[in-house]
Order: sequence, then C-alpha cells, then structure tokens
Amino acid sequence: KNEVEQSPQNLTAQEGEFITINCSYSVGISALHWLQQHPGGGIVSLFMLSSGKKKHGRLIATINIQEKHSSLHITASHPRDSAVYICAVFFGNEKLTFGTGTRLTIIP
Amino acid sequence: DVKVTQSSRYLVKRTGEKVFLECVQDMDHENMFWYRQDPGLGLRLIYFSYDVKMKEKGDIPEGYSVSREKKERFSLILESASTNQTSMYLCASRVTGQGIYNEQFFGPGTRLTVL
Repeated sequence: KNEVEQSPQNLTAQEGEFITINCSYSVGISALHWLQQHPGGGIVSLFMLSSGKKKHGRLIATINIQEKHSSLHITASHPRDSAVYICAVFFGNEKLTFGTGTRLTIIP
Repeated sequence: DVKVTQSSRYLVKRTGEKVFLECVQDMDHENMFWYRQDPGLGLRLIYFSYDVKMKEKGDIPEGYSVSREKKERFSLILESASTNQTSMYLCASRVTGQGIYNEQFFGPGTRLTVL
C-alpha cells in the first residue's frame, strides 16, 4: 500500500529556533510536494522536488530517494510560520497521496 | 497567478438536502480534483477529472458525484447530505501533458456542516 507518514504530528518551538519536519514514504515516488495550510483552510505549495535540495527564503526542502525520506527545514522561525505543513507524493501516477500533516506553532 | 475559487467558504445544510459545491479555475488546467479533509486523516481524494466530461473515482467516492461540463468548472454533488459528510472540502487543479511534475493549486476550501 502506498503510504506517507509525517513526524512529528505537532511541534511547538520558540521564535528563532531551527525547525525540521520529516516525511517518509513506503515505495518509490516520482515527485514530492511540501504544502502549507494556514488557519482558514487555504493550501499553498511550498516546494515540489524529485531529487536533491531546494531553498526558498528561510525554507529548505531535501529529499533522499534511496532512503525514501524528505525533510522540510525552517531557519530562524517566526510566529507567522505557524501553520500545518503537509507532505504529498506522486506514486508514479497523476494522483497525490497526502500525509496527515504537522501542526507547527511558533511562540514569540 | 493561477486562481482556484470555490463557491462558498462556509455552508450549513440539513440532512437529506442536495448540496452543490462549485470549483472554478482560470488557467485552462486539464486535471481537477475534489478532496475532503478531516482531522487526523489528512486529505482524501473523492473524485478527479482529466478533462471535460471525464471523471474517475478517488479513494472515497461513496455518497458523492461530480460534474465537469466545462473545462474550468468542476462540481461536487452530495445527493442526500448526511452528518458524516461534515468536513472541509478542497478543490485543486493541475496542468498535464508535461509529465507529472506539475504543481497542484488548491482552492480556499468550503467548510460544510450537515445538521
């Protein structure tokens, strides 16, 4: 069965801390999405990657294809980073399979 | 910018009512998707469509139907709403034809409550 697991489910940190959210998947994939969902529901795509590493501002996403694992890092975290972060993967077809999300809270 | 809009942000309906959720995208995307999102379960695919008048069942299609008469519009229909269909409903769209590495764009969501 194609599965996606995220950890931790909930994460609370102080402003300025370095944040890591992990995503593991069960079988080989074609590509992986990191998504952000703020309170109110709207989902925004942060990264799509199939290998290596991508960086955008304070956000960094890495993927290790051999280990079937991806990480999302946030440097110098800020309260506005508080959101649910969702990992989603393409298992070789047109449909995304989603993790259950990591709820991040950054305390000032 | 791609824009995906949904007809309502919040909706309250009664058990047994027929409910229509509308989704419109403005970037000529072929693929459109309807998901529901529940705490602890993540996003689950209800139906998707590869093109006009084409539809395929997702993982949880029971109790739902869809309609895609025009490329930009994908409608989700609850024929007879039930309380277990209370959820957040999210629409998404994505271009195809260039491989599967294309970003998926989401609408703002409709929070449906069935009483």
